[in-house]
Amino acid sequence: QEQLVESGGGVVQPGRSLRLSCAASGFTFSSYGMHWVRQAPGKGLEWVAVIWFDGSYRYYADSVKGRFTISRDNSKNTLYLQMNGLRVEDTAVYYCARVINYAYEYWGQGTLVTVSS
Amino acid sequence: QSALTQPPSASGSPGQSVTISCTGTSSDVGGYNYVSWYRQHPGKAPKLMIYEVNKRPSGVPDRFSGSKSGNTASLTVSGLQAEDEADYHCSSYAGSNNWVFGGGTKLTVL
Repeated sequence: QEQLVESGGGVVQPGRSLRLSCAASGFTFSSYGMHWVRQAPGKGLEWVAVIWFDGSYRYYADSVKGRFTISRDNSKNTLYLQMNGLRVEDTAVYYCARVINYAYEYWGQGTLVTVSS
Repeated sequence: QSALTQPPSASGSPGQSVTISCTGTSSDVGGYNYVSWYRQHPGKAPKLMIYEVNKRPSGVPDRFSGSKSGNTASLTVSGLQAEDEADYHCSSYAGSNNWVFGGGTKLTVL
């Protein structure tokens, strides 16, 4: 059974860094592109970043470009999101998701990141 | 990367049908048949309900259907049930390795 489990969220001050992890199980992780999607409190979903199945390509939303880095370790079946220069507006629940045919087929349960002084 | 436009709320009585719209541009909804819909109950992760405009993943009841006309996609929920009360989000591929979501619609079953 496919499963994605995020971790690493918490409370952090503006300007600081945080690294999120997403542990995958129940499927061949190295065969799929993976995304991070976030949801600010009471708001809609926002695409954050995508990484190709082999890590060869990475793309970011304009709102996080230059501050966030998506990466993966296929030997550990784990996806990462390194978040630097955090801003108050980055406060959100962060989900990792597996994509098939340009749709988000499986989602983790999410991890909450709160940026506050 | 502008968000897609969804109505903030929709409602219907049990057994009725309701349609939720999702309006984008020719660069996203209108340009690709990669529109998907998600149902999200409070405090839970989204669940894929429709992909590639009108396809249902295994296990999603045929009460859920999708369509698209020009730059607007639609999700129709027929035979409304209490469990359908949730937030619904649309998403579209927007080209150049970008994805975009709508602002979400809160569906109330009266």
